[in-house]
Amino acid sequence: EAGVAQSPRYKIIEKRQSVAFWCNPISGHATLYWYQQILGQGPKLLIQFQNNGVVDDSQLPKDRFSAERLKGVDSTLKIQPAKLEDSAVYLCASSSGAQETQYFGPGTRLLVL
Amino acid sequence: QKEVEQNSGPLSVPEGAIASLNCTYSDRVSQSFFWYRQYSGKSPELIMSIYSNGDKEDGRFTAQLNKASQYVSLLIRDSQPSDSATYLCAATPRGGSYIPTFGRGTSLIVHP
Repeated sequence: EAGVAQSPRYKIIEKRQSVAFWCNPISGHATLYWYQQILGQGPKLLIQFQNNGVVDDSQLPKDRFSAERLKGVDSTLKIQPAKLEDSAVYLCASSSGAQETQYFGPGTRLLVL
Repeated sequence: QKEVEQNSGPLSVPEGAIASLNCTYSDRVSQSFFWYRQYSGKSPELIMSIYSNGDKEDGRFTAQLNKASQYVSLLIRDSQPSDSATYLCAATPRGGSYIPTFGRGTSLIVHP
């Protein structure tokens, strides 16, 4: 069974630029999560999807971050414009249900200069 | 504010010893608990999940849950250098929107 795929793996941009990350969950997983993990901290949930609907986006900085999951499969997370403090690893995870085990992708390391 | 608290460590134990990792949570409606292991530069991977009070054993790992004290722990028996990693505790409530909350993780170092 293929795992959660993410791209790109690494991205370096300058502040005020925009960037987009892509995630393809495990086949059949209805729940998809985007996390931000800053060095030395635990993952912080940005947004949770159930199929193509948003379950929670209370910690998503909506003035600069957006996410979508069209057709309830893969998802994109966008930052526009980026700030220095957005430098982090962005993790995508999926699960078969909201209470089930989450499987994480390899993450995208973002460095904002 | 729902919080999951973990001592950041590092916790250093000799090879072969028992490593004890602890986690407390603030939200009483939390019902599902997970321990993830995260190697440096890698993504988290599930070690164990626990939903009921008591102990749950899987090989060298034992998870313990005490809902009255809002406390979860992970014991690693016969610790190996390959167990050196950061261990993340996560809690998810039942009901509502099931939003998971992660602790900041405890760094474990197993030295030969």
